[in-house]
Amino acid sequence: DSGVTQTPKHLITATGQRVTLRCSPRSGDLSVYWYQQSLDQGLQFLIQYYNGEERAKGNILERFSAQQFPDLHSELNLSSLELGDSALYFCASSDRQGATGELFFGEGSRLTVL
Amino acid sequence: AQSVTQPDIHITVSEGASLELRCNYSYGATPYLFWYVQSPGQGLQLLLKYFSGDTLVQGIKGFEAEFKRSQSSFNLRKPSVHWSDAAEYFCAIAGFKTIFGAGTRLFVKA
Repeated sequence: DSGVTQTPKHLITATGQRVTLRCSPRSGDLSVYWYQQSLDQGLQFLIQYYNGEERAKGNILERFSAQQFPDLHSELNLSSLELGDSALYFCASSDRQGATGELFFGEGSRLTVL
Repeated sequence: AQSVTQPDIHITVSEGASLELRCNYSYGATPYLFWYVQSPGQGLQLLLKYFSGDTLVQGIKGFEAEFKRSQSSFNLRKPSVHWSDAAEYFCAIAGFKTIFGAGTRLFVKA
C-alpha cells in the first residue's frame, strides 16, 4: 500500500460528458502529480501541484484541469470527453517540490469513454 | 530536452535465468534516474534510484542497476528471475519533471 488513494477505481461514461477524479496523497506529501497511461501513449505526465500551487505542466489538454485543495487532496477534471480519453489515470505524491524524489503511486482510476 | 528510451517492448526469460532491461536517457546534466515496476492492476512501485555516488545501485526484490555516463544508460539487472517478477518495468528520469520510458513488459516462463 503506497498510501495514495484514488477514487473512483473505475468509471464508464459517454462522449461529451465531464468527470472528476480524486486523489488523496500520502500523509505529509505536499506534491501531487497526475499521469495518464494509455496503450498508444504510454505514461504521460499531465500536471504537478505543490502545496496548492501549480508547479509543472506536461501534456495536459485544455479540456482537462486540476487543482489541489488546502487539505492537499487533488482533483483532475476531464470535460467534453472523447473516446481517446479512455485511459488509466494515475495520481502520485512526493515529499519534494522538485521532481527528484520518489513518486508514490495510487492504483489508478480507469476511465472508459463510450 | 530530457527523454528516456527503453528499446525492448517485451522480454521473455526463463525462471532462474538472469535478466537485463535496457534504458537509455537524454539529459543535459547528471540526471536523477529511477526504475519502477507495475504489476497488473497496480500502480507503479519504486525499485531503485540513482542520484550520485556509486554507479551500481541496489534496489528491492534483488534488483540492481548500473549508471554508465559514457553510454547514457541505466540498465536494470537481476541475477535470477522469479515467476513473480513478471510485470512491466519503467525507467524514469527526473529533471524539471519526471519522464517515464515506454516500459518493458517482462514475461517469465517456467
